[in-house]
Amino acid sequence: EVQLVESGGGLVKPGGSLRLSCAASGFSFNNAWMSWVRQAPGKGLEWVGRIKSKTDGGTTDYAAPVKGRFTISRDDSKNTLYLQVNSMKTEDTAVYYCITVFETSGPHWGQGTLVTVSS
Amino acid sequence: DIVMTQSPDSLAVSLGERATINCKSSQTVLYSSNNKNYLAWYQQKPGQPPKLLIYWASTRASGVPDRFSGSGSGTDFTLTINSLQAEDVAVYYCQQYYSAPFTFGPGTKVNIK
Repeated sequence: EVQLVESGGGLVKPGGSLRLSCAASGFSFNNAWMSWVRQAPGKGLEWVGRIKSKTDGGTTDYAAPVKGRFTISRDDSKNTLYLQVNSMKTEDTAVYYCITVFETSGPHWGQGTLVTVSS
Repeated sequence: DIVMTQSPDSLAVSLGERATINCKSSQTVLYSSNNKNYLAWYQQKPGQPPKLLIYWASTRASGVPDRFSGSGSGTDFTLTINSLQAEDVAVYYCQQYYSAPFTFGPGTKVNIK
């Protein structure tokens, strides 16, 4: 069974940093392209960024609002995806989800981790 | 970037009646090499993560009741909920995963009339 479990959320002060993790199981993580999506309280869904598999170059893409502050990385030996968030702003307050897409069964999402940016 | 729009913003449907939600992409999300539309539909209830309903524009996800169906190709897509049930009250989103950034529609709120 495919599982994506996010962790690392919490309360952070503006300007602070946080590293979110997404532990993957039930599929070949090293071949998967992984994405982060977020949802601010009461708002819609916003794609944050993506990392390709290492065999496909391992490159990253980011949404314009987070480029330069967010960094996506992966550790295929640990089947784990990361999202490093720096210079945090109040508008980064959101639930952060990791997702991946399979040819056979479409997108799969984790349950999310809540990040609150507040002084 | 591909811009996703949805209509209507909200709708109220009587129990047992049909609900129809439209989604339009600013560019095609049909990948010609495999003839697949990279378009998904989600249902989200308060306090819950989005639940995948439909992928590849028309394939129902595992466990999704068959009253939910997706159609369309290229840039125009529709989610249909036949015989609306009380548990279908939610916000529905479309998403393209054809090209990064994988954008979402703004959501359509479905209520009971």
